[in-house]
Amino acid sequence: GAVVSQHPSWVICKSGTSVKIECRSLDFQATTMFWYRQFPKQSLMLMATSNEGSKATYEQGVEKDKFLINHASLTLSTLTVTSAHPEDSSFYICSASNGNQPQHFGDGTRLSIL
Amino acid sequence: GIQVEQSPPDLILQEGANSTLRCNFSDSVNNLQWFHQNPWGQLINLFYIPSGTKQNGRLSATTVATERYSLLYISSSQTTDSGVYFCAVSNTGGFKTIFGAGTRLFVKA
Repeated sequence: GAVVSQHPSWVICKSGTSVKIECRSLDFQATTMFWYRQFPKQSLMLMATSNEGSKATYEQGVEKDKFLINHASLTLSTLTVTSAHPEDSSFYICSASNGNQPQHFGDGTRLSIL
Repeated sequence: GIQVEQSPPDLILQEGANSTLRCNFSDSVNNLQWFHQNPWGQLINLFYIPSGTKQNGRLSATTVATERYSLLYISSSQTTDSGVYFCAVSNTGGFKTIFGAGTRLFVKA
């Protein structure tokens, strides 16, 4: 089946640093990738949709300058949390689709900002 | 946008019991999936079921697209079934997916 790899699975860093999270589709070409955020005991909230080779589309309320998304190839999308602060601490999950099948999800990245 | 409501929000079962989880959605969909999120946060895809009925072991799901709801059945529940069950739908091309709030299930030994 389709596999999506997300890295790193855990990251702890100091306030003010930037953190990059990678999402890779290992055995299919992902024309579209999605980034979600999940706070404790809450549901997954869609942050943005990225299509290969074009700018990401952000959901209302998500700061695009804070959460930089790059989808440079059909197998890789990255999310960079810039100048991270404790309130950015969350569980971030990516998913990927080739447009003809439902999404396949990565295992998520637990981000803790001290 | 499309709204997704799940019920019940919380459920406690004795091991061996059966249960039904419900997902209502506010518009027609081209994709509906049920997921189980384990304690480590991993989303396990249970069913891709925009319509019809599917079964996989002790789990089965039915989506009645014309009435805009889906049901997930868990039979003979086990402690390992504990976790959060999400219903997620999309009604646009490209499968942009919206999640329900989830049902938090705890199965007691």
